[in-house]
Amino acid sequence: DIQMTQSPSSVSASVGDRVTITCRASQDVNTWLAWYQQRPGKAPNLLIYAASSLQSGVPSRFSGSGSGTYFTLTISSLQPEDFATYYCQQAYRFPRTFGPGTKVDIK
Amino acid sequence: EAQLVQSGGGLVKPGGSLRLSCAASGFTFGRYSMNWVRQAPGKGLEWVSVISSTSSNKYYGDSVKGRFTVSRDNAKNSLYLQMNSLRAEDTAVYYCARDDITMVGGLGMDVWGQGTTVTVSS
Repeated sequence: DIQMTQSPSSVSASVGDRVTITCRASQDVNTWLAWYQQRPGKAPNLLIYAASSLQSGVPSRFSGSGSGTYFTLTISSLQPEDFATYYCQQAYRFPRTFGPGTKVDIK
Repeated sequence: EAQLVQSGGGLVKPGGSLRLSCAASGFTFGRYSMNWVRQAPGKGLEWVSVISSTSSNKYYGDSVKGRFTVSRDNAKNSLYLQMNSLRAEDTAVYYCARDDITMVGGLGMDVWGQGTTVTVSS
């Protein structure tokens, strides 16, 4: 199985800050990588697919990059509604696997 | 608008069975693969299972293999998860999610159900 890791596990930030989250895969997944946002008590929401493609309706302050085993999710200017937990997920092999999550909270 | 509405969660004793349902609307259900994803209390997301658009391919996570069975009825726009031999560690919120899977990889789960809670306890 492909193992996914994320760093940091949590980050405290202020509105307007630039935040970058890192995701690593235990083997090459090419660009078959997705990012999700999950707010407490809600279902996850797809932000980025194919490593860098912005899902329809997602604000342009979110961006993704990377390929192979190293990926990043960047929020260019943190907004109040962005305080949530973020997960990466490899979409290359079954079983699909998620990273452990990165919680973004208010400084 | 694409929508998934879930039903079937509840409290069940260890060793018991439960069937979850997920009803789709607002899109051509039979064109998409469908996943089940779960989240134990206070924990992260765990992928459970996927079924291809025609039911020809099904995959399971190691923790549920041999106990859970995914199925679908495209005529009824519905997805199911039959869960047998339930354990305390299966306690979680279960989500169904639409997936756009190509010949090589997936494009992410873009439509999610509201989640249904399964509690396994004596």
